[in-house]
Amino acid sequence: QVQLQESGPGLVKPSQTLSLTCTVSGGSISSGSYYWGWIRQPAGKGLEWIGHIYTSGSTNYNPSLKSRVTISLDTSKNQFSLKLSSVTAADTAVYYCVRLQLSPYFFDYWGQGTLVTVSS
Amino acid sequence: SSELTQDPAVSVALGQTVRITCQGDSLRNYYASWYQQKPGQAPVLVIYGKNNRPSGIPDRFSGSSSGNTASLTITGAQAEDEADYYCNSRDRSGNVVFGGGTKLTVL
Repeated sequence: QVQLQESGPGLVKPSQTLSLTCTVSGGSISSGSYYWGWIRQPAGKGLEWIGHIYTSGSTNYNPSLKSRVTISLDTSKNQFSLKLSSVTAADTAVYYCVRLQLSPYFFDYWGQGTLVTVSS
Repeated sequence: SSELTQDPAVSVALGQTVRITCQGDSLRNYYASWYQQKPGQAPVLVIYGKNNRPSGIPDRFSGSSSGNTASLTITGAQAEDEADYYCNSRDRSGNVVFGGGTKLTVL
């Protein structure tokens, strides 16, 4: 059974960079036809896709966040990471790491989510 | 447009059938997937592809699609089905799109 676990600071100051890591257990992130990604959800609001990465390193980012987002893989640690730069209060949300399957697109495994608050 | 539109709220009497819909141009070309989210929990995949249920999802959940509309049907809704439901699909660029979510109340 694949499990995903987010980790990282729960509080980030405005204008700084939000950094989160997702540790995957129960399977290798470098095997299989899967993408690994991030989704966020502000309190009381809907889900927002941030982006995803394939084992080859190719990425897709939400156009509205693309200029500020970087997703990367660390296959040696079976982890992938999210960096979101120049954060504001609008980036306060629960951040989920996910596994994405293609054809069709669906997210079959989710982390429990981690709340990141942007505040000085 | 790559947006997906859902009704904000739907209600159903206990044991009755309810359909939750998701509309968008991308659904003419790509299947929707559906997620159930209960308060304080991560979303859970309930339907993907043409009409596939992950292991552990009750068979009262089913999916269908016609034109630009995808539907999630719960046949014989139970109290534990009360939750928010989200659809998602993709656009031609490979970007993911989500619907705004539907809050299901079981009366």
